[in-house]
Amino acid sequence: GAGVSQSPSNKVTEKGKDVELRCDPISGHTALYWYRQRLGQGLEFLIYFQGNSAPDKSGLPSDRFSAERTGESVSTLTIQRTQQEDSAVYLCASSARINGELFFGEGSRLTVL
Amino acid sequence: DQQVKQNSPSLSVQEGRISILNCDYTNSMFDYFLWYKKYPAEGPTFLISISSIKDKNEDGRFTVFLNKSAKHLSLHIVPSQPGDSAVYFCAASRVPDDMRFGAGTRLTVKP
Repeated sequence: GAGVSQSPSNKVTEKGKDVELRCDPISGHTALYWYRQRLGQGLEFLIYFQGNSAPDKSGLPSDRFSAERTGESVSTLTIQRTQQEDSAVYLCASSARINGELFFGEGSRLTVL
Repeated sequence: DQQVKQNSPSLSVQEGRISILNCDYTNSMFDYFLWYKKYPAEGPTFLISISSIKDKNEDGRFTVFLNKSAKHLSLHIVPSQPGDSAVYFCAASRVPDDMRFGAGTRLTVKP
């Protein structure tokens, strides 16, 4: 499709396991964002990629979180040694330009038991 | 740090009336502001934006007002419709940095 695609849509894992979430942005979009939404809370910024610049990792909550993006394509968000507090919907968004409108995927719902 | 704040977690309005959603920000360097709308089980979708050089932007039933001196913006929906019921997120950014969101306000428009 033409929108932002995220996978998996749902992931249930046991505490301590690693998880990897994938985001396929809209083709040609140079900016890619990861946000997290915990139950009943707002959108929490995690990380931002803009072209080939160094990513802004200021929102990552701990060193268990990391993200990669290859060029201007797919991004993966990895959470190591998951904790119950990591349970949330992880949203990816892409944009054609700085300050441009963000197009969001439907999110990956992570449940850590 | 909460640079963008939406202090009202919910708002209920009668159909046909005006809905006013508020947003405050702390970073005076923000120069672009947006509102997003989110339905359950879907990602947020863009609604309307405003640049810091303006104080008002209108798109149909939706108007965003920006008061830079007060670091405050608001979204007006007139007239409100039941289909407007959703969570509304305020967002702010500054070139060339990332976009920050508020906690959201759940709007319920009653028929």
